[in-house]
Amino acid sequence: DAGVTQSPTHLIKTRGQQVTLRCSPISGHKSVSWYQQVLGQGPQFIFQYYEKEERGRGNFPDRFSARQFPNYSSELNVNALLLGDSALYLCASSRVAGGYTDTQYFGPGTRLTVL
Amino acid sequence: TQLLEQSPQFLSIQEGENLTVYCNSSSVFSSLQWYRQEPGEGPVLLVTVVTGGEVKKLKRLTFQFGDARKDSSLHITAAQTGDTGLYLCAGERNDYKLSFGAGTTVTVRA
Repeated sequence: DAGVTQSPTHLIKTRGQQVTLRCSPISGHKSVSWYQQVLGQGPQFIFQYYEKEERGRGNFPDRFSARQFPNYSSELNVNALLLGDSALYLCASSRVAGGYTDTQYFGPGTRLTVL
Repeated sequence: TQLLEQSPQFLSIQEGENLTVYCNSSSVFSSLQWYRQEPGEGPVLLVTVVTGGEVKKLKRLTFQFGDARKDSSLHITAAQTGDTGLYLCAGERNDYKLSFGAGTTVTVRA
């Protein structure tokens, strides 16, 4: 089975622009989580979606938004990009919404560079 | 500010040597996970520890969860060049969100 897929792989934007990142979970997984990983740091939790509803949100400004579609794929949108938004954006899927028995599988990430 | 502090930040050893990576916090976690991440890829789960004092072994890797469920360690015996990578610990609390440490970059030299 295919793992978590993310697109695009790399993206270069300028300050003030908007960006949309996409994620397709593993088949049968209903939950998608988004993380931001700045160079030299561990991933920071942004959002979790389960059955198309937001189940959790991290400490990120309202410029960050996401949604989950009926096929469980997800999009992460970032408006009014800042230089500090440059990072690797990771998507992780799991069967349900959480708990240590429900392993999260990470995609390869989208590398966003803001100039 | 990271909820989990990992040490050391960087570790470079010769093949065949042993190494230990530490993950510490002042918070209690319902579970703690260890991941390995290679360049250009997402983190891959190595192990989950749940019970205080728990020890899990995965071939040459030994994971321990502290009695108070606030800290953990990863020990690699007889390291190989294939063990090179970024090792991340992540703690889960009651809200099921994962909080990651900043990671330890391990380099094993041939």
